[in-house]
Amino acid sequence: QSALTQPASVSGAPGQSITISCTGTSSDVGGYNYVSWYQQLPGTAPKLIIYDVSDRPSGVSNRFSGSKSGNTASLTISGLQAEDEADYYCSSYRRGDTLVFGGGTKLTVL
Amino acid sequence: QLQLQESGPGLVKPSETLSLTCTVSGGSISSSTYYWGWIRQPPGKGLEWIGCVHSSGSTYANPSLKSRLTMSVDTSYNQFSLRLSSVTAADTAIYFCARLVTWFRAVDLWGQGALGTVSS
Repeated sequence: QSALTQPASVSGAPGQSITISCTGTSSDVGGYNYVSWYQQLPGTAPKLIIYDVSDRPSGVSNRFSGSKSGNTASLTISGLQAEDEADYYCSSYRRGDTLVFGGGTKLTVL
Repeated sequence: QLQLQESGPGLVKPSETLSLTCTVSGGSISSSTYYWGWIRQPPGKGLEWIGCVHSSGSTYANPSLKSRLTMSVDTSYNQFSLRLSSVTAADTAIYFCARLVTWFRAVDLWGQGALGTVSS
């Protein structure tokens, strides 16, 4: 099944804000509010940072925020810190009872 | 605190079957709120959802893998399992077991991952 579309890489300086996009279709991102985002540090399992488009699990910094417009979801990280350097993945429920991930975005903190 | 741990052979020959088990500790696998699933990540690549199973026995699979996939749950042992048949080198990946919030809303808990290598 085809993946959701994310930019391969983004970068930003400490203190700045960055946004990562995640584009799907009306069968997934656009049709349901079941978009989630994950942070994966090198050599570790992914960690859930956003679910249901814009909700944060307990313990996740409020510097992470999510939104959605049409078929595109977005993750914004404000007040960028060195520790935010990681790979970020979006996922969405897809019609037909499946889950689909984005290709992943590598965030570099300059 | 609930934890997930993968186990199984790390090396499988081409055309054979990759079998993995995930043991859930610190909580019950029988909760109706969650699905128990598998996600893989080829070395240096992105995440791919494989499928998931509910404690009721219902299964849901990635259409691209469905024909080779068998998933099951054993509530007595608080475990769930994956069998992927007719493997090729393209199936070499880190396999994560995970907990999914209904209805596929998010993967809120992950195992540490187990490397499954397909090689003769």
